[in-house]
Amino acid sequence: DAGVTQSPTHLIKTRGQQVTLRCSPKSGHDTVSWYQQALGQGPQFIFQYYEEEERQRGNFPDRFSGHQFPNYSSELNVNALLLGDSALYLCASSPTRGYGYTFGSGTRLTVV
Amino acid sequence: GQQLNQSPQSMFIQEGEDVSMNCTSSSIFNTWLWYKQDPGEGPVLLIALYKAGELTSNGRLTAQFGITRKDSFLNISASIPSDVGIYFCAGHGSSNTGKLIFGQGTTLQVKP
Repeated sequence: DAGVTQSPTHLIKTRGQQVTLRCSPKSGHDTVSWYQQALGQGPQFIFQYYEEEERQRGNFPDRFSGHQFPNYSSELNVNALLLGDSALYLCASSPTRGYGYTFGSGTRLTVV
Repeated sequence: GQQLNQSPQSMFIQEGEDVSMNCTSSSIFNTWLWYKQDPGEGPVLLIALYKAGELTSNGRLTAQFGITRKDSFLNISASIPSDVGIYFCAGHGSSNTGKLIFGQGTTLQVKP
């Protein structure tokens, strides 16, 4: 049973560019959340998607946007990248009525 | 916003020793979760707590959901080298059921 799959694992982008990160949830999970984890910090909630809609959003600017597809997979898009966007981006999936969050291994984004 | 204060920030112990770490909040939480994160990986769920006063064990790990719903602790008994990693507490606040709030993490090092 595959867990949460994220791609790519590592990415280097230049300041001002745009990036798309991808996530496939664990089998049986339909809710996807995205988190940003800066070095030495705990993960910070970006937003959550359910039924292809953004259900809840954390304190992140509009440069951060997302999408969920009918097969429950999800994308995180970040526009106009800043150096401060360098972090580990984690995707977590969960079933509709449960708190059983399963995290992927993350995408390490470096902005230069 | 809601925050979790996790302590200690780091611990360096001898193999075989017991470990205790805790998490506090100024506001009520509905769930408490404890995760372990290894380098280059996403957080892995260790224990989930859903009711005030609940005490739950998972092998050598024991965690409790505080009666006031504002704190939780995690104990590790008879530590072994593979316990090394970063431990995070996380929870759902009373009004944000989808968003997981994380503590800053406790880095555990075990000397064989």
